[in-house]
Amino acid sequence: QVQLVESGGGVVQPGRSVRLSCAASGFAFNTYSMHWVRQAPGRGLEWVAIISHDGSFQFYADSVKGRISVSRDRSNNTLYLQMNSLRVEDTAIYYCATEGQLHTRYFFGFWGQGTLVTVSS
Amino acid sequence: QSALTQPASVSGSPGQSITISCTGSSGDVGTYNLVSWYLQHPGKAPKVIIFEVNNRPSGVSDRFSGSKSGNTASLTISGLQAEDEADYYCCSYAGSSTYVFGSGTKVTVL
Repeated sequence: QVQLVESGGGVVQPGRSVRLSCAASGFAFNTYSMHWVRQAPGRGLEWVAIISHDGSFQFYADSVKGRISVSRDRSNNTLYLQMNSLRVEDTAIYYCATEGQLHTRYFFGFWGQGTLVTVSS
Repeated sequence: QSALTQPASVSGSPGQSITISCTGSSGDVGTYNLVSWYLQHPGKAPKVIIFEVNNRPSGVSDRFSGSKSGNTASLTISGLQAEDEADYYCCSYAGSSTYVFGSGTKVTVL
């Protein structure tokens, strides 16, 4: 079955960097665009970024543009999120999610369990 | 990219029907029939229950239904059950490969 497992979260100081990973299995990873969605503690969901199935394009939310980069390794079915110049307001659970399911698109079809990033001095 | 507007909370008794609204703008909900809805139980990842305004993924109960009129989308839960108590989020495609979520609605089963 579809599995998405995020890792790389933890406590990070403001201004530092962190790289999150999302290991995918159980589906044709290389045929899906992938998303990152985050959720601050006790708050709602916020779309962060998308990368196309082949990695040829990426788009970002205005709140993170210029500080975040999404990439993927098609050889080992892994999605990444590089976050730089971290701010306290970046504290959140970060979820990876697929673009749609099977032949449908424009929604978040499968989700990982999330990884918590806490930005604090 | 302002969040879509949802009521903070909605409640109902078992067996009743409730409706959650999701108001956006002409830049998202009003233009694209690409509204999706997600259910999130405490401490769990969200799960899609509606996509493309009114389509259910395989395995999702037909007690969940969606609709849209103008800049407002709606999710109706019929035959409310205790297990429906959760947070619900709408989301709309907003053009240029970007998405915007709603503010979230806490559903309480009385």
